[in-house]
Parts: sequence; structure tokens; C-alpha cells
Amino acid sequence: NAGVMQNPRHLVRRRGQEARLRCSPVKGHSHVYWYRQLPEEGLKFMVYLQKENIIDESGMPKERFSAEFPKEGPSILRIQQVVRGDSAAYFCASSPDNNYGYTFGSGTRLTVV
Amino acid sequence: DQQVKQNSPSLSVQEGRISILNCDYTNSMFDYFLWYKKYPAEGPTFLISISSIKDKNEDGRFTVFLNKSAKHLSLHIVPSQPGDSAVYFCAASGERALNFGKGTSLLVTP
Repeated sequence: NAGVMQNPRHLVRRRGQEARLRCSPVKGHSHVYWYRQLPEEGLKFMVYLQKENIIDESGMPKERFSAEFPKEGPSILRIQQVVRGDSAAYFCASSPDNNYGYTFGSGTRLTVV
Repeated sequence: DQQVKQNSPSLSVQEGRISILNCDYTNSMFDYFLWYKKYPAEGPTFLISISSIKDKNEDGRFTVFLNKSAKHLSLHIVPSQPGDSAVYFCAASGERALNFGKGTSLLVTP
């Protein structure tokens, strides 16, 4: 399967817990993007990463959210001390370069109870 | 600050007819536009794109029109098929990443 793999597909967390969302890009893609879709909303850009570098995190909340894309392994979006408002679908996309030819994963649906 | 706007949350069209989905943008620096299609519980999939140097791009049943002076683009699907029922997102190239609209839910009825 050459697509973007996101796991888990569904994640339930209690308020105050941590959520870790994983994204394995298409093989050979070195650019990863994270987007969030809140209910009844569009896709909101969160962060753009290349291997070992955060290129643009202008869409990330300043607190509790962090992202990484290490040299080896998947990209991780980490949300600490989750709150109900974090409940959303989180989509990862990858591209071979910054040419907007995104391939999206199926998303992780986070529910905070 | 919503720079890409899709003002119609939903659209219903009969099978065989034309579907027209609209999108407006505010940033004149955008130079590349894309349409994505999304089924429930799946990620968006790329459908068609257009560069700002063109005013039309066609791919089978799908055509995208760009009116730069009006900062408006539209996606035409003809003839519409029930399998086209999905949410369609308009996107524009930002400085670093794509900016998406809120989507239009298209329902094609038999």
C-alpha cells in the first residue's frame, strides 16, 4: 500500500490525557502536513514538516500541541492534556516536494470524553 | 480568517444533470487551485487543479474554471452520477501549505 498511513483510526481519550497521532507518509515523500477538521468545518492547516524540521507551525495552538517528523519513523502529532474542544478528525498529508500534490491519509478521529 | 470560501454547504442535483460547485478566495497571491473530493470516514482525494495562468482545465467529466478578476473558481461535473455524491473541498496554494474551504456536500439523486 503506497498511501499515507495514519493510526489509530479512532482514538478516545479522557480529559487531561495525552493523545499521540501517527502518520507514515508515502514512501519517498519528505514533506508532511497536518490538518484538523472540526465538526461542520473545513480543513484547517496546523503544521508543515520536513524530515527533522518544522517548516511552518503557524496553524498549531501555542500550547499543548507539538509535532515532529524524525529522521526515522512516522510523523507524530502530540496533544497533551486534551480537552473536549480537541475532538476532531486529524488528517495527515504528504508530498514529494512542496508542489501541492498532496496525498491524504484516512485520518484519526479523536474523541475526548 | 477564511481566505477560501465555499458559501454553499450543500447541493442536490439529479443524475445526468450538471453540478456546479463554487469557490471564492480573498488572497490575490494565490496562484494554484485544487479541488478535493471526500467520502465519509476517508481522507480527501485530489480531483483536479488549475494554475492561475489558465482559466479552464478539463479532465473527463470534471472542468474547473478560474476567474482571477473576480477571485472565483468553479467546478463543473457533467453528467453527474450518484457516485459523485461526496463533500468537495476547494483549496488554494498558500505560502507554505494549502488553504481549504469548508466544503460543499453534493448529493446526486437517481
